[in-house]
Amino acid sequence: DTAVSQTPKYLVTQMGNDKSIKCEQNLGHDTMYWYKQDSKKFLKIMFSYNNKELIINETVPNRFSPKSPDKAHLNLHINSLELGDSAVYFCASSQGVLEGYEQYFGPGTRLTVT
Amino acid sequence: AQTVTQSQPEMSVQEAETVTLSCTYDTSESDYYLFWYKQPPSRQMILVIRQEAYKQQNATENRFSVNFQKAAKSFSLKISDSQLGDAAMYFCAYRSALTGSARQLTFGSGTQLTVLP
Repeated sequence: DTAVSQTPKYLVTQMGNDKSIKCEQNLGHDTMYWYKQDSKKFLKIMFSYNNKELIINETVPNRFSPKSPDKAHLNLHINSLELGDSAVYFCASSQGVLEGYEQYFGPGTRLTVT
Repeated sequence: AQTVTQSQPEMSVQEAETVTLSCTYDTSESDYYLFWYKQPPSRQMILVIRQEAYKQQNATENRFSVNFQKAAKSFSLKISDSQLGDAAMYFCAYRSALTGSARQLTFGSGTQLTVLP
């Protein structure tokens, strides 16, 4: 039983394209996140979202947008892809009511922009 | 803003020996959570251990334990009886416990641990 799943696991695309990465969690959590891991393995928050509030890291370009069709899904849309967007993107979820509970991570999506 | 620093980019340990990974953090908050995550080559992020700042007792999980020094803002991870499967990138992470705060994790830059047979 996969707790947090992401599709696709690998994505190769050309500069200028628009792409989406899907994330689903079956844990009943109310908060979801997107993190970016760059080529040096540094992990940084992009968005955190629950059904009440979207918090955007101010360093994230507005070409990136999270979209949540329902509580179990948080998709990441990227417009006009650039070479610097190449990275591994992780989705995660947590139960916000129970503060301190761990975040469960998806397997990551390796995005390569050529 | 909080920052997390891991000053050891790489560490190695002999199988069955003990190794300690260092982590320091900077925050003005009094209540928070600290975590160690493991990322093996599969790239899956796996929680190793968690520490609540209000607890004085150091957390332990089987062969993994922490040395939490709140005043020094230090949170090191000790791995005892190291096994080949422990080889991975280890990340220290911080999360605020303030009500209404964003719940995201702030990560350190990671320590790549090699276990030598």
